[in-house]
Amino acid sequence: DTGVSQNPRHKITKRGQNVTFRCDPISEHNRLYWYRQTLGQGPEFLTYFQNEAQLEKSRLLSDRFSAERPKGSFSTLEIQRTEQGDSAMYLCASSGTGYSNQPQHFGDGTRLSIL
Amino acid sequence: ILNVEQSPQSLHVQEGDSTNFTCSFPSSNFYALHWYRWETAKSPEALFVMTLNGDEKKKGRISATLNTKEGYSYLYIKGSQPEDSATYLCAPRMDSSYKLIFGSGTRLLVRP
Repeated sequence: DTGVSQNPRHKITKRGQNVTFRCDPISEHNRLYWYRQTLGQGPEFLTYFQNEAQLEKSRLLSDRFSAERPKGSFSTLEIQRTEQGDSAMYLCASSGTGYSNQPQHFGDGTRLSIL
Repeated sequence: ILNVEQSPQSLHVQEGDSTNFTCSFPSSNFYALHWYRWETAKSPEALFVMTLNGDEKKKGRISATLNTKEGYSYLYIKGSQPEDSATYLCAPRMDSSYKLIFGSGTRLLVRP
């Protein structure tokens, strides 16, 4: 079990650029989640996949954000036309099936800074 | 928007002190409560998942209780150590959604 892996760890980009982050979940986990955390706040839910199906997406999420999970393995989160307010820590988590209240296991996150 | 409150926001204690934090959440449509510890430069670490009213869980010196009828949970740390310094986050899971709704956390600093 190598844990949840996220790349890159840090991303600095200019406003208006597109960015893409990758998340590799724990191999046997079929649920994958994206959260965003800003300073002084707890993580905020963005979206969730079960296998390759995106089952829930936050209503607060801008159309500039899109996530995919092809083949139900790794996932990517893309932000188009980045804005200053997108600066945050983007966290990925995964959990398995079986009983419904399993903990979500988090990666180290990708810290995005918009110049 | 569901409101998850954690108190206090921050806490400074001396090594050896025992401490506790509170998490309050809406009691309707409750499914489960998750507690996490998040140390600086690391990933959030799952501590407990609690589902039933009256649940008590323990992991070493850390324990937690759950009251689903009134919508609160307590996290206790007995004999705090400097390595307990972290942000402690609670996150209820409501209705049938798998998303977690995090509070802002309690930042604990344990002084040697």
